[in-house]
Amino acid sequence: QSALTQPASVSGSPGQSITISCTGTSSDVGTYNLVSWYQQHPGKAPKLLIYEDIKWPSGVSDRFSGSKSGNTASLTISGLQAEDEADYYCCSYAGRATYVFGTGTKVTVL
Amino acid sequence: QVQLVESGGGVVQPGTSLTLSCAASGLAFSSFGMHWVRQAPGKGLEWVSLISYDGSGKTYADSVKGRFTISRDNSKNTLYLQMNSLSAEDTAVYYCAKYETTGGYCDHWGQGTLVTVSS
Repeated sequence: QSALTQPASVSGSPGQSITISCTGTSSDVGTYNLVSWYQQHPGKAPKLLIYEDIKWPSGVSDRFSGSKSGNTASLTISGLQAEDEADYYCCSYAGRATYVFGTGTKVTVL
Repeated sequence: QVQLVESGGGVVQPGTSLTLSCAASGLAFSSFGMHWVRQAPGKGLEWVSLISYDGSGKTYADSVKGRFTISRDNSKNTLYLQMNSLSAEDTAVYYCAKYETTGGYCDHWGQGTLVTVSS
């Protein structure tokens, strides 16, 4: 149950696009189409952004999009806004009803 | 709307036990699996445990296996986490989260309860 690997930080200017990677293994990300992404502002609970690798829950902006290739999932934030400054976590099903989170990425809007 | 409210956190000494609760409202609680997820101060999210909708299935992270027990009382719409043999490494905010089985994601989270293990 090793954490998925994410970059510690990513930054961008307002209006730009940024991408956060989430690297796992063939035992989790690479096998199951069950990667979800969460946004967490300081002192707040996580909020679901993407599920099943690429799907949006209702109410989430389509500026957030998910993708996956092999053992690496990615979250892209388009049209970066000040309110997007937060921590982002990926999460993957890892088999046998277990889950694993990513190490987390701090997004800074310059 | 869905509300999940954790309680039971506090300051405890190493080696002792503590039980957390998560009261659910605004959903058909007995139809959904539930997770516990924790976050140590300044650190990332860590999956802790999952229980099926009826309590028949339970899984744990290796870091808590054998020490923590997840359970639920569907008649009270409440989820529990019994934590034994606590150590400083268990210091964290503990969140409960509603689990969507088919999609493998958590769509509703509580606000968390802080557990501090310190002598």
